[in-house]
Amino acid sequence: SQQGEEDPQALSIQEGENATMNCSYKTSINNLQWYRQNSGRGLVHLILIRSNEREKHSGRLRVTLDTSKKSSSLLITASRAADTASYFCATGSGAGSYQLTFGKGTKLSVIP
Amino acid sequence: DGGITQSPKYLFRKEGQNVTLSCEQNLNHDAMYWYRQDPGQGLRLIYYSQIVNDFQKGDIAEGYSVSREKKESFPLTVTSAQKNPTAFYLCASTTGTGEYGYTFGSGTRLTVV
Repeated sequence: SQQGEEDPQALSIQEGENATMNCSYKTSINNLQWYRQNSGRGLVHLILIRSNEREKHSGRLRVTLDTSKKSSSLLITASRAADTASYFCATGSGAGSYQLTFGKGTKLSVIP
Repeated sequence: DGGITQSPKYLFRKEGQNVTLSCEQNLNHDAMYWYRQDPGQGLRLIYYSQIVNDFQKGDIAEGYSVSREKKESFPLTVTSAQKNPTAFYLCASTTGTGEYGYTFGSGTRLTVV
């Protein structure tokens, strides 16, 4: 079953603008992760935020987590054409049998 | 360099035929996973393995089989019982706790002809 749901499904912005993607989930989690997928390729891990963290930064990426609302957001600042990809959130849960459950993704297009 | 290698990149299957997708990792990761991705969709878990000689069914295991005879290898067989196998298949691995995220292979695109 897919727990994470990204919003919007598709996003088109101009190079240099910020891009914000949201993820909602349904059950309690240990952590939430964001991945990027270029067309026809595997997924690349971007950032992980634990359930006891509220915000995390990595380069031009900023992730927030609100466990009370069961939601997360990924902000990409000063976007570049190379950021064009699909972005997935994944929720990690379970002790002793670690699994990630992925959403359907947000397709980001950055126009040069 | 450490990573996950999936082969082949493209695979064509005839009706009624079994095919095997290869996944090899040299990251010394304990856990390995197989996901299926359909166009415009997220990833759905087929099978996963936490240790050698042990594996568990995921959400869509019907029509698939796996083995984990070596820590480095986790091949997936798509059997003739899988009626709609055309999809993009992704293999991933992680450390036992998964606290550092998954490492993915580059995928195998399977098409029924």
